[in-house]
Order: sequence, then C-alpha cells, then structure tokens
Amino acid sequence: DAGVIQSPRHEVTEMGQEVTLRCKPISGHNSLFWYRQTMMRGLELLIYFNNNVPIDDSGMPEDRFSAKMPNASFSTLKIQPSEPRDSAVYFCASSFSVGGLKEQYFGPGTRLTVT
Amino acid sequence: AQSVTQPDIHITVSEGASLELRCNYSYGATPYLFWYVQSPGQGLQLLLKYFSGDTLVQGIKGFEAEFKRSQSSFNLRKPSVHWSDAAEYFCAVGEKGGSYIPTFGRGTSLIVHP
Repeated sequence: DAGVIQSPRHEVTEMGQEVTLRCKPISGHNSLFWYRQTMMRGLELLIYFNNNVPIDDSGMPEDRFSAKMPNASFSTLKIQPSEPRDSAVYFCASSFSVGGLKEQYFGPGTRLTVT
Repeated sequence: AQSVTQPDIHITVSEGASLELRCNYSYGATPYLFWYVQSPGQGLQLLLKYFSGDTLVQGIKGFEAEFKRSQSSFNLRKPSVHWSDAAEYFCAVGEKGGSYIPTFGRGTSLIVHP
C-alpha cells in the first residue's frame, strides 16, 4: 500500500492567490482528516469527513478555507484568497473507524508558504 | 471535554540511555490511547495503541507504553535510545464508541546526544 498521498509536497504562492491541496487516502478507509501544523499553534484539526461527508468543520479558520471529498479516494483543501498567516504544513490523514476512533495514517504533508 | 497533557516540551537523553515520555489525559469514559512519532519533514507515524486488554502495549521501534487508569496516564518508554529516535512524539486520546476525532497533546521533542 502506498499510504496516504498528498500533493504538492511544497507550495509557494503569493498573497491573494488560490491554493489547492490534494489528498488520496488509503484504499478502504472511511474517515479522512485535514490538519494544519505550525510552531505557534501545534497540530490543529481543520475538518473531518466520514464516508465522504463532512462531519466536523469547526476547525476551519474562516470562509477562505473550504474542503471537499467528492469520492472515497480523493479530497481537496482550498484556500482562496491565501494570506501569509496560512503558511504552515498541512497534513491529510485517513483511518478505518468503525465503533470508535482507530489509528490514523498520515500523509507526508504539504508545506505551504504564502509570501 | 477530553484533554491530553504532555508536560515535557523537550527531553534530552544520551544515546543508550532509557527514556520515558509522559502523557496524562482527562477523560471520563474508556479511552483509546495512541502514541505517534514525527521525524523532521515527515508526517506522524503510529508507534503503538491501546484499546483494551493488557495495559502494557508493545509498539514498533522497541517502544512500549503502559496504561494506568488510576493515574490517567499512558507513558511511553524505551530501554535504550538510539540517535535515530530523535523526533517529536505525540500522545493522542479518542473515545471508545464515540467521536472519531482524536485529541492530541502538544508534543514532546526528543533530543539524543551521542
């Protein structure tokens, strides 16, 4: 199994531009999580999908952030317009969670720099 | 609300020395407990997990953790640390039969001296 795949691995963009991060979860997993990690705030959960449906998006910072999961094998996190404070490492994780939380499998992350 | 505390932000050990990383949780029900490791520039990787049964669990890379309900702790241990163990370690707790969203601690950075 290739694990969780994220693209791109690095993204540098200018303030005001649209940024789209992509994630392919592990096949057969039914839960998908988007996290953001910074030195100041640590690891933050942005949004959680179960069976492709957004269940909890309370961590999404503001309307500039949106996430979709059109099918079980693909999810996107979009930032429009981007701001310098969005600079962080964004992780996607998946799990097979039935009857409660199970272990998560994390992707390698996308390092986003907004100038 | 559930919470996870990792009281040590940084820990420094010498190579070959033993290691214990602390994790305390605040939770009323039966928790699911996890330890993850994050090497520089990489995502988090599961080291071990506890759902039920034997309170001493073995993980990968020679790590083990012990669940102590009376102390609400799930400390991570390794008898002899290798330089390659230098990384960030995260404790996480989930809810048995409930929310699928884990709560993570802030992490402990392990520094290994030769």
